[in-house]
Amino acid sequence: GAVVSQHPSWVICKSGTSVKIECRSLDFQATTMFWYRQFPKQSLMLMATSNEGSKATYEQGVEKDKFLINHASLTLSTLTVTSAHPEDSSFYICSARDPGTSKGGTQYFGPGTRLLVL
Amino acid sequence: AQSVTQLGSHVSVSEGALVLLRCNYSSSVPPYLFWYVQYPNQGLQLLLKYTTGATLVKGINGFEAEFKKSETSFHLTKPSAHMSDAAEYFCAVSSTGANSKLTFGKGITLSVRP
Repeated sequence: GAVVSQHPSWVICKSGTSVKIECRSLDFQATTMFWYRQFPKQSLMLMATSNEGSKATYEQGVEKDKFLINHASLTLSTLTVTSAHPEDSSFYICSARDPGTSKGGTQYFGPGTRLLVL
Repeated sequence: AQSVTQLGSHVSVSEGALVLLRCNYSSSVPPYLFWYVQYPNQGLQLLLKYTTGATLVKGINGFEAEFKKSETSFHLTKPSAHMSDAAEYFCAVSSTGANSKLTFGKGITLSVRP
């Protein structure tokens, strides 16, 4: 149980285009999902917290107009990188919190999406 | 505010040797503590977690960790390393609230020598 999927697993795009990444909780309903960014050899940096049916909460320094997050259902959150530029190239990882009390609100992570902007 | 300290960036052990990865945390409230493993180009997989109750927690792949409040530590151990254990390991802390976030340490790379 507690499986989170991400799609696509990798994407290459031209500068100026927009890219959408999907994050799905496959066997549980996640009222809260998180989006992280990871640079090579570094830890995960939280970008935003996504709550179903409400606006995402962005961390300081993350441009909300650049990284659009939608959490329209209890099993799906999407991250859209708008007008992508080479500096947006990174590994993006989502997680979903299992609200079941027996799991202590544990976050389960997707496999990640590697974005390369040319 | 919460924080996690993982000393060192790289640990190398021989196959069959004890694995010890250190983690110290800072939290103003009773913490939830986690260890995650990341293999190259993959997401994070939960190894184990401490929420409440027994302070020695056992996880997958033979790993375990002990919550020591007096030392604010949550070190990860495995009695005998296997080649497949080579990966990046992250310790993380969160509060117990409904909107709590994970705060990660910077991670430790574990190498296993044959």
